Amino acid sequence: QLQLQESGPGLVKPSETLSLTCIVSGASISSSNYYWGWIRQPPGRGLEWIGSIFYSGTSYSNVSLKRRVTISLDTSKNQFSLNLTSVTAADTAVYFCARHVTHSSSWTPWGQGMLVTVSS
Amino acid sequence: QSALTQPASVSGSPGQSITFSCSGTSSDLGAYDYVSWYQQHPGKAPKLIIYDVRHRPSGVSNRFSGSKSGNTASLTISGLQAEDEADYYCSSYTTSNTLVVFGSGTEVTVL
Repeated sequence: QLQLQESGPGLVKPSETLSLTCIVSGASISSSNYYWGWIRQPPGRGLEWIGSIFYSGTSYSNVSLKRRVTISLDTSKNQFSLNLTSVTAADTAVYFCARHVTHSSSWTPWGQGMLVTVSS
Repeated sequence: QSALTQPASVSGSPGQSITFSCSGTSSDLGAYDYVSWYQQHPGKAPKLIIYDVRHRPSGVSNRFSGSKSGNTASLTISGLQAEDEADYYCSSYTTSNTLVVFGSGTEVTVL
Protein backbone atom coordinates (compact mmCIF):
# COMPACT_ATOMS: atom_id res chain seq x y z
CA GLN A 1 0.00 0.00 0.00
CA LEU A 2 1.42 3.35 -1.07
CA GLN A 3 2.05 5.75 1.79
CA LEU A 4 3.59 9.20 1.98
CA GLN A 5 4.96 10.80 5.13
CA GLU A 6 6.22 14.34 5.57
CA SER A 7 9.14 15.03 7.88
CA GLY A 8 11.13 18.07 8.93
CA PRO A 9 11.23 20.87 11.50
CA GLY A 10 7.92 22.24 12.69
CA LEU A 11 9.35 25.67 13.48
CA VAL A 12 11.39 27.87 11.16
CA LYS A 13 12.67 31.39 11.79
CA PRO A 14 11.76 34.26 9.46
CA SER A 15 14.16 34.73 6.53
CA GLU A 16 15.45 31.16 6.89
CA THR A 17 14.80 28.14 4.66
CA LEU A 18 11.97 25.70 5.21
CA SER A 19 13.09 22.16 4.35
CA LEU A 20 10.74 19.18 4.26
CA THR A 21 11.10 15.62 3.04
CA CYS A 22 8.40 13.26 1.85
CA ILE A 23 9.22 9.61 2.47
CA VAL A 24 7.47 7.29 0.02
CA SER A 25 6.78 3.66 0.84
CA GLY A 26 4.99 1.00 -1.15
CA ALA A 27 5.96 2.27 -4.59
CA SER A 28 8.97 3.61 -6.45
CA ILE A 29 9.24 7.34 -7.13
CA SER A 30 11.10 6.42 -10.32
CA SER A 31 7.87 5.54 -12.14
CA SER A 32 7.15 7.52 -15.30
CA ASN A 33 3.43 7.49 -14.54
CA TYR A 34 3.52 9.98 -11.69
CA TYR A 35 4.53 13.38 -10.50
CA TRP A 36 5.33 13.95 -6.83
CA GLY A 37 4.18 17.23 -5.39
CA TRP A 38 3.76 19.60 -2.49
CA ILE A 39 0.58 21.44 -1.48
CA ARG A 40 0.11 23.68 1.53
CA GLN A 41 -2.82 24.97 3.56
CA PRO A 42 -2.53 28.02 5.81
CA PRO A 43 -4.53 27.70 9.03
CA GLY A 44 -8.24 28.05 8.32
CA ARG A 45 -7.69 28.58 4.61
CA GLY A 46 -7.70 26.70 1.31
CA LEU A 47 -5.19 24.60 -0.57
CA GLU A 48 -2.31 26.01 -2.58
CA TRP A 49 -0.17 24.03 -5.00
CA ILE A 50 3.52 24.63 -4.37
CA GLY A 51 5.18 22.49 -7.01
CA SER A 52 5.77 19.05 -8.49
CA ILE A 53 8.64 16.92 -9.75
CA PHE A 54 8.80 14.16 -12.34
CA TYR A 55 10.92 11.01 -12.04
CA SER A 56 13.35 12.53 -14.53
CA GLY A 57 14.02 15.40 -12.14
CA THR A 58 12.06 17.97 -14.13
CA SER A 59 10.24 20.20 -11.67
CA TYR A 60 7.52 22.83 -11.81
CA SER A 61 6.53 25.37 -9.18
CA ASN A 62 3.90 27.98 -8.51
CA VAL A 63 5.05 31.29 -9.94
CA SER A 64 3.37 33.07 -7.03
CA LEU A 65 6.13 31.79 -4.79
CA LYS A 66 8.59 33.86 -6.79
CA ARG A 67 11.36 31.40 -7.37
CA ARG A 68 11.75 30.58 -3.65
CA VAL A 69 10.90 26.92 -4.27
CA THR A 70 13.23 24.03 -5.01
CA ILE A 71 11.95 20.46 -5.28
CA SER A 72 14.33 17.54 -5.59
CA LEU A 73 14.29 13.74 -5.80
CA ASP A 74 16.42 11.18 -3.97
CA THR A 75 15.71 7.92 -5.74
CA SER A 76 18.19 6.01 -3.57
CA LYS A 77 16.06 6.81 -0.52
CA ASN A 78 12.74 6.84 -2.39
CA GLN A 79 11.92 10.32 -1.16
CA PHE A 80 11.54 13.85 -2.44
CA SER A 81 12.13 17.18 -0.80
CA LEU A 82 10.97 20.78 -0.67
CA ASN A 83 13.09 23.82 0.07
CA LEU A 84 11.35 27.17 0.48
CA THR A 85 13.72 30.07 1.04
CA SER A 86 13.29 33.45 2.76
CA VAL A 87 10.21 32.41 4.68
CA THR A 88 7.84 34.81 6.41
CA ALA A 89 4.85 34.35 8.68
CA ALA A 90 2.73 34.04 5.53
CA ASP A 91 4.41 30.69 4.87
CA THR A 92 2.98 29.22 8.08
CA ALA A 93 0.83 26.32 6.91
CA VAL A 94 0.20 22.61 6.94
CA TYR A 95 2.40 21.17 4.21
CA PHE A 96 1.20 18.05 2.38
CA CYS A 97 3.05 15.84 -0.05
CA ALA A 98 1.07 13.85 -2.59
CA ARG A 99 1.33 11.78 -5.75
CA HIS A 100 -0.09 13.16 -8.99
CA VAL A 101 -0.99 10.86 -11.87
CA THR A 102 0.31 12.08 -15.24
CA HIS A 103 -2.32 12.99 -17.85
CA SER A 104 -4.92 13.12 -15.11
CA SER A 105 -6.19 15.45 -12.43
CA SER A 106 -5.77 12.76 -9.79
CA TRP A 107 -3.81 13.66 -6.66
CA THR A 108 -3.70 10.56 -4.49
CA PRO A 109 -2.66 9.53 -1.95
CA TRP A 110 -1.70 12.41 0.31
CA GLY A 111 0.59 12.44 3.32
CA GLN A 112 -1.00 13.25 6.64
CA GLY A 113 0.38 16.78 6.53
CA MET A 114 2.81 18.66 8.71
CA LEU A 115 2.30 22.03 10.36
CA VAL A 116 5.24 24.35 9.84
CA THR A 117 5.21 27.58 11.82
CA VAL A 118 7.38 30.53 10.85
CA SER A 119 8.22 32.47 13.97
CA SER A 120 11.22 33.89 15.77
CA GLN B 1 -6.92 34.48 -3.67
CA SER B 2 -7.89 31.09 -5.12
CA ALA B 3 -8.13 30.81 -8.90
CA LEU B 4 -11.30 28.69 -8.81
CA THR B 5 -14.44 30.03 -7.13
CA GLN B 6 -16.63 27.86 -4.92
CA PRO B 7 -19.55 28.78 -2.64
CA ALA B 8 -18.34 29.15 0.92
CA SER B 9 -20.97 26.86 2.37
CA VAL B 10 -23.78 24.54 1.39
CA SER B 11 -26.14 22.63 3.64
CA GLY B 12 -28.72 19.89 3.33
CA SER B 13 -30.73 17.44 5.35
CA PRO B 14 -29.90 13.75 5.59
CA GLY B 15 -31.05 11.90 2.49
CA GLN B 16 -31.23 15.01 0.35
CA SER B 17 -29.05 15.74 -2.69
CA ILE B 18 -26.89 18.82 -2.91
CA THR B 19 -24.93 20.22 -5.83
CA PHE B 20 -22.34 22.95 -5.72
CA SER B 21 -20.13 24.56 -8.26
CA CYS B 22 -16.53 25.33 -9.03
CA SER B 23 -16.13 28.24 -11.43
CA GLY B 24 -13.05 29.01 -13.44
CA THR B 25 -12.02 30.41 -16.78
CA SER B 26 -11.13 29.31 -20.28
CA SER B 27 -7.54 28.95 -19.03
CA ASP B 28 -8.36 26.22 -16.51
CA LEU B 29 -11.75 24.48 -16.32
CA GLY B 30 -12.57 25.50 -19.87
CA ALA B 31 -9.25 24.28 -21.26
CA TYR B 32 -9.04 20.79 -19.81
CA ASP B 33 -11.14 17.89 -18.56
CA TYR B 34 -8.63 17.56 -15.72
CA VAL B 35 -10.92 18.51 -12.86
CA SER B 36 -10.77 16.76 -9.52
CA TRP B 37 -12.60 17.04 -6.22
CA TYR B 38 -11.32 16.43 -2.69
CA GLN B 39 -13.06 15.85 0.61
CA GLN B 40 -11.31 17.11 3.74
CA HIS B 41 -12.44 16.42 7.28
CA PRO B 42 -11.04 18.65 10.05
CA GLY B 43 -7.43 17.93 10.85
CA LYS B 44 -7.14 15.39 8.06
CA ALA B 45 -5.51 15.29 4.64
CA PRO B 46 -7.69 15.81 1.58
CA LYS B 47 -9.09 12.67 -0.01
CA LEU B 48 -9.67 12.31 -3.74
CA ILE B 49 -13.33 11.65 -4.52
CA ILE B 50 -13.63 12.60 -8.21
CA TYR B 51 -10.97 12.88 -10.93
CA ASP B 52 -11.03 13.82 -14.61
CA VAL B 53 -14.45 15.49 -14.20
CA ARG B 54 -16.57 12.45 -13.39
CA HIS B 55 -14.47 9.41 -12.48
CA ARG B 56 -14.57 7.93 -8.97
CA PRO B 57 -11.55 6.21 -7.45
CA SER B 58 -12.04 2.70 -6.17
CA GLY B 59 -13.72 2.73 -2.79
CA VAL B 60 -15.43 6.09 -3.14
CA SER B 61 -19.18 6.00 -2.72
CA ASN B 62 -21.29 6.31 -5.87
CA ARG B 63 -23.27 8.99 -4.02
CA PHE B 64 -20.57 11.37 -5.26
CA SER B 65 -20.75 12.45 -8.88
CA GLY B 66 -19.08 15.14 -10.94
CA SER B 67 -19.80 17.03 -14.12
CA LYS B 68 -18.55 19.99 -16.11
CA SER B 69 -19.99 22.50 -18.54
CA GLY B 70 -17.80 25.15 -20.05
CA ASN B 71 -15.86 26.93 -17.32
CA THR B 72 -17.85 25.45 -14.45
CA ALA B 73 -17.58 22.09 -12.74
CA SER B 74 -20.08 20.68 -10.28
CA LEU B 75 -20.09 18.11 -7.51
CA THR B 76 -23.29 16.35 -6.46
CA ILE B 77 -23.68 14.44 -3.23
CA SER B 78 -26.78 12.24 -3.25
CA GLY B 79 -28.41 10.72 -0.19
CA LEU B 80 -26.58 13.10 2.10
CA GLN B 81 -25.15 11.46 5.23
CA ALA B 82 -23.69 12.87 8.44
CA GLU B 83 -20.24 11.62 7.42
CA ASP B 84 -20.36 13.84 4.33
CA GLU B 85 -19.97 16.90 6.53
CA ALA B 86 -16.57 18.23 5.47
CA ASP B 87 -14.80 20.75 3.31
CA TYR B 88 -14.68 20.10 -0.43
CA TYR B 89 -12.11 21.47 -2.86
CA CYS B 90 -11.98 21.38 -6.63
CA SER B 91 -8.76 21.46 -8.64
CA SER B 92 -7.75 21.88 -12.25
CA TYR B 93 -4.78 22.20 -14.51
CA THR B 94 -4.31 25.68 -15.90
CA THR B 95 -2.58 27.04 -18.96
CA SER B 96 -1.10 29.79 -16.83
CA ASN B 97 2.34 29.53 -15.24
CA THR B 98 0.68 28.34 -12.03
CA LEU B 99 -0.03 24.96 -13.69
CA VAL B 100 -2.30 23.63 -10.93
CA VAL B 101 -5.03 25.56 -9.14
CA PHE B 102 -7.38 24.72 -6.31
CA GLY B 103 -10.77 26.13 -5.48
CA SER B 104 -11.57 28.25 -2.44
CA GLY B 105 -13.36 25.38 -0.75
CA THR B 106 -16.98 24.65 0.18
CA GLU B 107 -18.03 23.71 3.68
CA VAL B 108 -20.84 21.14 3.58
CA THR B 109 -23.11 20.99 6.61
CA VAL B 110 -25.59 18.19 7.22
CA LEU B 111 -28.52 19.66 9.10
